[in-house]
Amino acid sequence: EPEVTQTPSHQVTQMGQEVILRCVPISNHLYFYWYRQILGQKVEFLVSFYNNEISEKSEIFDDQFSVERPDGSNFTLKIRSTKLEDSAMYFCASTRARDSRSYEQYFGPGTRLTVT
Amino acid sequence: LAKTTQPISMDSYEGQEVNITCSHNNIATNDYITWYQQFPSQGPRFIIQGYKTKVTNEVASLFIPADRKSSTLSLPRVSLSDTAVYYCLVGDMWGTNAGKSTFGDGTTLTVKP
Repeated sequence: EPEVTQTPSHQVTQMGQEVILRCVPISNHLYFYWYRQILGQKVEFLVSFYNNEISEKSEIFDDQFSVERPDGSNFTLKIRSTKLEDSAMYFCASTRARDSRSYEQYFGPGTRLTVT
Repeated sequence: LAKTTQPISMDSYEGQEVNITCSHNNIATNDYITWYQQFPSQGPRFIIQGYKTKVTNEVASLFIPADRKSSTLSLPRVSLSDTAVYYCLVGDMWGTNAGKSTFGDGTTLTVKP
């Protein structure tokens, strides 16, 4: 069964550093998403991406965040200057084209980001 | 986006049927109802989706009354491995909020032996 993959599984960084989280969505999917989950809290939407541009973003997704699809397979989330409160699990997800099951998002295993 | 309300936690025993109800009083005409399951330190996993009446797949059933202001996820004969957090999401698959899934607090289901 195809799956979304994410690297690294755990990233430790110092406050103020830039981090790039990487995701490889399922190959025939067209819509891509990033979510985050602070330990013990709910899953929060960050951004959705379609046709090489951001479709929607939440209030969390401020100027410190950016996304990119640098090639045909990777989808990245960059945090320019990390803060302690950015420590969380970051999930990438993807869906197929807008068909009857387009809300079936496939999530990756997540990257645990720890900012010290 | 429609706000959803679910019980914070539920306990069950192996082999029992579990029903988790989600309230979404402000559901819009174009909104679909989707349920996800999440195990600790893993990403959410799609369980089932529906618009009205009843939907059944190999793992669960989803019951949606005519007014669509609530929905019930039914898990038949749960096992210990069904212990997880279950999220109900309501949203428009086609509109401007499509894909902007808003996860609520979820229901923590604990299955006991």
